[in-house]
Amino acid sequence: DGGITQSPKYLFRKEGQNVTLSCEQNLNHDAMYWYRQDPGQGLRLIYYSQIVNDFQKGDIAEGYSVSREKKESFPLTVTSAQKNPTAFYLCASSILVRNTEAFFGQGTRLTVV
Amino acid sequence: AQTVTQSQPEMSVQEAETVTLSCTYDTSESDYYLFWYKQPPSRQMILVIRQEAYKQQNATENRFSVNFQKAAKSFSLKISDSQLGDAAMYFCAYSGATNKLIFGTGTLLAVQP
Repeated sequence: DGGITQSPKYLFRKEGQNVTLSCEQNLNHDAMYWYRQDPGQGLRLIYYSQIVNDFQKGDIAEGYSVSREKKESFPLTVTSAQKNPTAFYLCASSILVRNTEAFFGQGTRLTVV
Repeated sequence: AQTVTQSQPEMSVQEAETVTLSCTYDTSESDYYLFWYKQPPSRQMILVIRQEAYKQQNATENRFSVNFQKAAKSFSLKISDSQLGDAAMYFCAYSGATNKLIFGTGTLLAVQP
């Protein structure tokens, strides 16, 4: 089945540690996105990529890093510089056609302990 | 920069009744697309309906319809014959020239039996 897979579903991190969230898609989509979801703030864009080896900062990129070495994969690293990393993270992908929908993974809940 | 505003943090509707969720947006672009996404308790994002800005006709998908007022930059979602399964968080989203999806803060819809 085609889809977008995020792993793990739940992740715990100690303060001061970097952690990487996985996002893989087999939909042959060019564009991939990372969003952060906090209560009352909706989904905020962290990074997005429309082509391999290229990515752009979103509205809240500070403390995060990404790579896009393969079309299928767009991992997100939450670094120790991110002051408040506890949140729900959603990965999405889409084709580069203007009115197309984005397909979302099931999310990763990151908790700093 | 484009913004999306959802002014109703929570709404409630009786089963079988009709409810309207509000969304306004701000943009200087003339060509863009608007979406409503549903996020049930599973947190999986599901596309409900989409609207192309150049189309005057309001989009309809079964019990879901929109009232798109381009001049007023308003994009409300009407849910008719509400069902228990409609209970979810609903997000309004905008996509313009950059292809990024920009989300509002969401409206939590409760459906009362």
